Amino acid sequence: AQTVTQSQPEMSVQEAETVTLSCTYDTSESDYYLFWYKQPPSRQMILVIRQEAYKQQNATENRFSVNFQKAAKSFSLKISDSQLGDAAMYFCAYEDTGTASKLTFGTGTRLQVTL
Amino acid sequence: NAGVMQNPRHLVRRRGQEARLRCSPMKGHSHVYWYRQLPEEGLKFMVYLQKENIIDESGMPKERFSAEFPKEGPSILRIQQVVRGDSAAYFCASSPFGQGIAKNIQYFGAGTRLSVL
Repeated sequence: AQTVTQSQPEMSVQEAETVTLSCTYDTSESDYYLFWYKQPPSRQMILVIRQEAYKQQNATENRFSVNFQKAAKSFSLKISDSQLGDAAMYFCAYEDTGTASKLTFGTGTRLQVTL
Repeated sequence: NAGVMQNPRHLVRRRGQEARLRCSPMKGHSHVYWYRQLPEEGLKFMVYLQKENIIDESGMPKERFSAEFPKEGPSILRIQQVVRGDSAAYFCASSPFGQGIAKNIQYFGAGTRLSVL
């Protein structure tokens, strides 16, 4: 079974600085998708960024980028120029390709943004 | 295009009562997923449905829990004879599947927080 591990329960970053959230996963599959979701206090799950395992190029979305290391099974999220609105729980998630199927989530990292 | 709609946002039930949680997927989406989030934990998959079919229910508890996605109307997650351990946030997600590059993206609703007294 696939597992997703987020080893940082909490992180803190100053406004305008850069922070990196870690995620590792375990799978025997060669093709899959990886995601970062953001959950603010409102509890709404918001998709931040998505990476397809067969693509070597790291995904980017504005201030958000990933460092995808397939051999190491590592998928970290970098947030540049952090803003107060970035404060939230961040969840890393994994999904097999082929058929639309279940997401496997990590336990989350709570990000605080300070002035 | 309206997002995934879940209602109610908050549901309070006494032990032994039934809880019915509703989820209307995004327009054009025919795949629905239910997840449960216990306090301070990540989301755990429960069940995946297409219209009138349960595709994967490997995460559903064997008893008291059921889900449906009828031809018409929202998907329903039903919990019979609720117990305090059922208290959690229940999230629904939908995906279009088979509609190009977006097929593997699940879009989430805001969740239903169930409290069992």
